[in-house]
Amino acid sequence: GAGVSQSPSNKVTEKGKDVELRCDPISGHTALYWYRQSLGQGLEFLIYFQGNSAPDKSGLPSDRFSAERTGGSVSTLTIQRTQQEDSAVYLCASSPSFQETQYFGPGTRLLVL
Amino acid sequence: GENVEQHPSTLSVQEGDSAVIKCTYSDSASNYFPWYKQELGKGPQLIIDIRSNVGEKKDQRIAVTLNKTAKHFSLHITETQPEDSAVYFCAAVDQTGANNLFFGTGTRLTVIP
Repeated sequence: GAGVSQSPSNKVTEKGKDVELRCDPISGHTALYWYRQSLGQGLEFLIYFQGNSAPDKSGLPSDRFSAERTGGSVSTLTIQRTQQEDSAVYLCASSPSFQETQYFGPGTRLLVL
Repeated sequence: GENVEQHPSTLSVQEGDSAVIKCTYSDSASNYFPWYKQELGKGPQLIIDIRSNVGEKKDQRIAVTLNKTAKHFSLHITETQPEDSAVYFCAAVDQTGANNLFFGTGTRLTVIP
């Protein structure tokens, strides 16, 4: 079946601009996660959603980062007033429910000039 | 929070030889340990996982071992093939808690034909 999809695959923006990154989880998966992968670094947890519960935002690096999940499916990660240090690959993952295996999408490569 | 360390950072082996990647974790509450393979330009792909009630798990050429007392786990790839070349990440999580994965910093495996 279809896996996790993300768009755009690549995004180049200017410092100070806002960007929106989209994630479509696997159909029927109730849990959705965002991670960030910086060059040469591991994967850093940002935020996760489980069903209709309040999201766990404990990994967001600053208040310029926010995310929402509409209708329990598609999620959007928004970065306001982008900085060069925001340049990274942003990965989305979903799992059938809380406490189950996570499956990753291909990522969005963000470059802030 | 959880801290996962992974070694080595790079590993080169001859085709047909075995490869071993080791990880340690700090939180004794962690109970789920997945391994992901990431090829260039793609998202991480789950290759094998192990839960804390099991000491070893094998799937064809791939095996994972877990030592809960020492808080370390290892990935073993036998009869390596050029297509095994990729970056491998270990991760740990307490699935009774937030379920966000804590990743190691990755191992770049190169299989030399």
